[in-house]
Amino acid sequence: GEDVEQSLFLSVREGDSSVINCTYTDSSSTYLYWYKQEPGAGLQLLTYIFSNMDMKQDQRLTVLLNKKDKHLSLRIADTQTGDSAIYFCAESLRSGGGADGLTFGKGTHLIIQP
Amino acid sequence: DAGVIQSPRHEVTEMGQEVTLRCKPISGHNSLFWYRQTMMRGLELLIYFNNNVPIDDSGMPEDRFSAKMPNASFSTLKIQPSEPRDSAVYFCASRYRGVPGNTIYFGEGSWLTVV
Repeated sequence: GEDVEQSLFLSVREGDSSVINCTYTDSSSTYLYWYKQEPGAGLQLLTYIFSNMDMKQDQRLTVLLNKKDKHLSLRIADTQTGDSAIYFCAESLRSGGGADGLTFGKGTHLIIQP
Repeated sequence: DAGVIQSPRHEVTEMGQEVTLRCKPISGHNSLFWYRQTMMRGLELLIYFNNNVPIDDSGMPEDRFSAKMPNASFSTLKIQPSEPRDSAVYFCASRYRGVPGNTIYFGEGSWLTVV
């Protein structure tokens, strides 16, 4: 089966880097995702990485994938108060033609200290 | 482009009443998903459709829940009769199946409270 695990909370100081970690169990995952959910809102896609990649960078966001350890991380550089949200890791199991729904972790609450 | 549109955004209903949640996916998308979010269980996939056809409804909690997709631009999730334990946020999501990334786009959710 599939299972995605994340820590529930992460507290960082404004201006520091945040690193949110995730582990998954299914080695056949083809895509891994990070979504952000602000209070009272839906899930917003931040970024995704294909399983044959090790790293992906997009402005302040860096995604690292360790396929051997089934470990995914999201680094947010220069964390701002607007980054305060719940961050969800998710995996998709099928390649392009498939359409299985994503399996989500329970989310990491990112708390920003002034 | 308009995103996934859900209605109602908020609903409070009494136990035993029928609840109907509605969703309009992003135009051109051919897969549609219904998720439920609670504090205890996180995000759970209830059902998904490809080209308006239900593919996997194994996540639907019980017979009180039903979902339909009569055409490519509309879907409903119905709970009859509703119970307090159905209180949750229900998300509809859609994607275009087959593009790189297979990205799923979520609506803002329908916040359901059953009293």
